[in-house]
Amino acid sequence: QVQLVESGGGVVQPGRSLRLSCVAAGFTLSNCAMTWVRQAPGKGLEWVAVISYDGSNEYYAESVKGRFTISRDNSKNTLYLQMKSLRAEDTAVYYCARDARPYGDYHYFDFWGQGTLVTVSS
Amino acid sequence: EIVLTQSPATLSLSPGERATLSCRASQSVSSYLVWYQQKPGQAPRLLIYDSSNRATGIPARFSGSGSGTDFTLTISSLEPEDFAVYYCQQRSNWPLTFGGGTKVEIK
Repeated sequence: QVQLVESGGGVVQPGRSLRLSCVAAGFTLSNCAMTWVRQAPGKGLEWVAVISYDGSNEYYAESVKGRFTISRDNSKNTLYLQMKSLRAEDTAVYYCARDARPYGDYHYFDFWGQGTLVTVSS
Repeated sequence: EIVLTQSPATLSLSPGERATLSCRASQSVSSYLVWYQQKPGQAPRLLIYDSSNRATGIPARFSGSGSGTDFTLTISSLEPEDFAVYYCQQRSNWPLTFGGGTKVEIK
């Protein structure tokens, strides 16, 4: 049974850092491209970052480029999002999601975690 | 960046009625258009990929069509569990982008 469980969210002051984790179960993380998508309170979905299935490529939204880093530890079946220089506008629920097909970068997502809330506030 | 515009913002319908949702892209995305459903407090659920292909386990009452810049998600006969927000997403170009969503509410 495929599961994605995010953690690491919380309240953080502007300018500080936070690292989100997404533990995968029921499939092999190293076979799949993975992504982070966020949703500000009461708003729509915003794609944040993606890492290719083999880890060779990373892509970022302009709004987070240079501040956020996506990575994976295949030995722990875990995806990460390191967030630095956080801003109020980064406040959102952050979802990790799995690319719908293995061994490729198709960039549509069939399994999503339940999300972790990040609140950036002084 | 490809902008996806969804319309209408809200669709008020009764169970059993047909729902037609639109997603328009600011430039061609070929057939690389995806639809998701999201209910309150839940993660998005994949419905349709590449314009017209239903994801695993998605009922046949959901169908997608379109290519280039104009796409449609149709729910042939609304069930109570279909009242939700629907998002389109393009996977043709970086950055990946989502539409603003269409809320299908009970009339």
